[in-house]
Amino acid sequence: GAGVSQSPSNKVTEKGKDVELRCDPISGHTALYWYRQSLGQGLEFLIYFQGNSAPDKSGLPSDRFSAERTGGSVSTLTIQRTQQEDSAVYLCASSLTGEANGYTFGSGTRLTVV
Amino acid sequence: EDQVTQSPEALRLQEGESSSLNCSYTVSGLRGLFWYRQDPGKGPEFLFTLYSAGEEKEKERLKATLTKKESFLHITAPKPEDSATYLCAVQPSGSARQLTFGSGTQLTVLP
Repeated sequence: GAGVSQSPSNKVTEKGKDVELRCDPISGHTALYWYRQSLGQGLEFLIYFQGNSAPDKSGLPSDRFSAERTGGSVSTLTIQRTQQEDSAVYLCASSLTGEANGYTFGSGTRLTVV
Repeated sequence: EDQVTQSPEALRLQEGESSSLNCSYTVSGLRGLFWYRQDPGKGPEFLFTLYSAGEEKEKERLKATLTKKESFLHITAPKPEDSATYLCAVQPSGSARQLTFGSGTQLTVLP
């Protein structure tokens, strides 16, 4: 598609439930990033995929968070046993080369844990 | 640890009233400093990359400058459509490709 697509755009879940967030990057973009944006905070890096290399998971805040990227395209971020502090906007970005110049962000998924 | 601090947190300007946004950073080695614009409900939109002290980039009413410790985003004669949150981010030298973002400056330009 023309841009990075994220779904759902909004998600309300009960504390303790698992959620899956989806990112469909721009076709041909080899690099894919997940960031989290909490109210009044800067974007927080979560995970980075580059081609077939092992992902950089250094930003994942706990083992409840995991992500995969299938076939070098679509990515899914999974949060298990959600907590209220997980409430945030989850942003996905893709780029052709992995350089920040080429970052195109999606509009994000707003996750609310009640 | 890389750190980015943006000031002010919020800025209200009258249309045509020029001003500057500040981004102070500490990073072990700078690969690049980035400015993004973010509108409500949208993802950040790339504006500029600066690589070395003394570099300047311009786009319409915006000009970004870089020193060894900070970057400025100058807005000349702003219009209401320039209202947005402006984000600054740094990318360290080395193999890491992720960015460290500041918390942004929310700019409102009044007609």
